[in-house]
Amino acid sequence: ELKVEQNPLFLSMQEGKNYTIYCNYSTTSDRLYWYRQDPGKSLESLFVLLSNGAVKQEGRLMASLDTKARLSTLHITAAVHDLSATYFCAGEPITQGGSEKLVFGKGTKLTVNP
Amino acid sequence: DAGVTQSPTHLIKTRGQQVTLRCSPKSGHDTVSWYQQALGQGPQFIFQYYEEEERQRGNFPDRFSGHQFPNYSSELNVNALLLGDSALYLCASSPGLAGKRFGPGTRLTVL
Repeated sequence: ELKVEQNPLFLSMQEGKNYTIYCNYSTTSDRLYWYRQDPGKSLESLFVLLSNGAVKQEGRLMASLDTKARLSTLHITAAVHDLSATYFCAGEPITQGGSEKLVFGKGTKLTVNP
Repeated sequence: DAGVTQSPTHLIKTRGQQVTLRCSPKSGHDTVSWYQQALGQGPQFIFQYYEEEERQRGNFPDRFSGHQFPNYSSELNVNALLLGDSALYLCASSPGLAGKRFGPGTRLTVL
């Protein structure tokens, strides 16, 4: 059964600094998702990583996937206050039947301080 | 093009009551999944519907049931509500294997 672990669970950083959120998963998951959630809101899709070595960037966020290490990272460059939110990674084991459930980590609550 | 929509936005029920939550998937999406997100936790998969059938189910009791209609919209029913059922209920739709798009959620409070 797929298990997804994120660390850190809480991250407080200063504006302008860089940091990385890590997402480890326990079994084969060739598809990895990153979502952002603001307080009281739904999940906003950030990235879908489909294959080993995949790297995607959007603004100050960059996500990568290493399927051999079963590791995905979300790198934040020169953080700004607007990035304060909870970030979730989710794995999706692919089976012959097609699209399966998402298994989420516990989330990383990011606070960017001025 | 409307994305995933859910209703109602908020709901307050008492223990023992029954509740029905509704989801309309994004246009062109035929698969609907439901998730429960307790406060401070990651979403937990409840079940998934495709072609009007439950295709996969998470570790939730039979009190949680669902339905998908021919237009791909879906309902989540919860019977005999418990305090622990208080959560944000999220619906996600997808066109098969593509990325999943989440709706705004329904906040259920059980008193």
